[in-house]
Amino acid sequence: AQRVTQPEKLLSVFKGAPVELKCNYSYSGSPELFWYVQYSRQRLQLLLRHISRESIKGFTADLNKGETSFHLKKPFAQEEDSAMYYCALSDTGGFKTIFGAGTRLFVKA
Amino acid sequence: DGGITQSPKYLFRKEGQNVTLSCEQNLNHDAMYWYRQDPGQGLRLIYYSQIVNDFQKGDIAEGYSVSREKKESFPLTVTSAQKNPTAFYLCASSMVQGDGKDTQYFGPGTRLTVL
Repeated sequence: AQRVTQPEKLLSVFKGAPVELKCNYSYSGSPELFWYVQYSRQRLQLLLRHISRESIKGFTADLNKGETSFHLKKPFAQEEDSAMYYCALSDTGGFKTIFGAGTRLFVKA
Repeated sequence: DGGITQSPKYLFRKEGQNVTLSCEQNLNHDAMYWYRQDPGQGLRLIYYSQIVNDFQKGDIAEGYSVSREKKESFPLTVTSAQKNPTAFYLCASSMVQGDGKDTQYFGPGTRLTVL
């Protein structure tokens, strides 16, 4: 079955510390993977997608097909990174996107 | 903000009543989606539509119905058959082809409370 697992409901780090939000997936084909973010009082929006291989707001994510993971990383967390982060998977050619349960990141001053 | 709008922001319903949530987009996207967001469960897909006059059930379609008579609009009706309708409902849209396809654009959401 297709599934996206985010094992941490809450992650709390100090400002300037590295942060890694974990995401593992279960999918039989070649998925497209995404990270979406929801800041306080804002709508859910795309942060990055693996196919773009880009860094957004200092965040990167590497697709590891062997470990079926797509962890989100940032070397130095900022207070404005505090938000809810969702990992998502989309089947190529299809239109269904499956979301993980989300991880709330709290960056402390 | 624009793009994709949902109304109303808050909605209260008595048990046994049907209620319709509005979703409109001006992004010229072919695909539209409805999700339900519950604490600790992420987003779960209710229905999606790839083209006008066509839609498919998602993972939790029971107790819900949709229509897609216009490209811009994808209203969701929460019927009295939905056992636990109190939730936050999100509408989204996306292109169906091109480099940006599969990236979803979300509305601000509607919080439905059943009294």
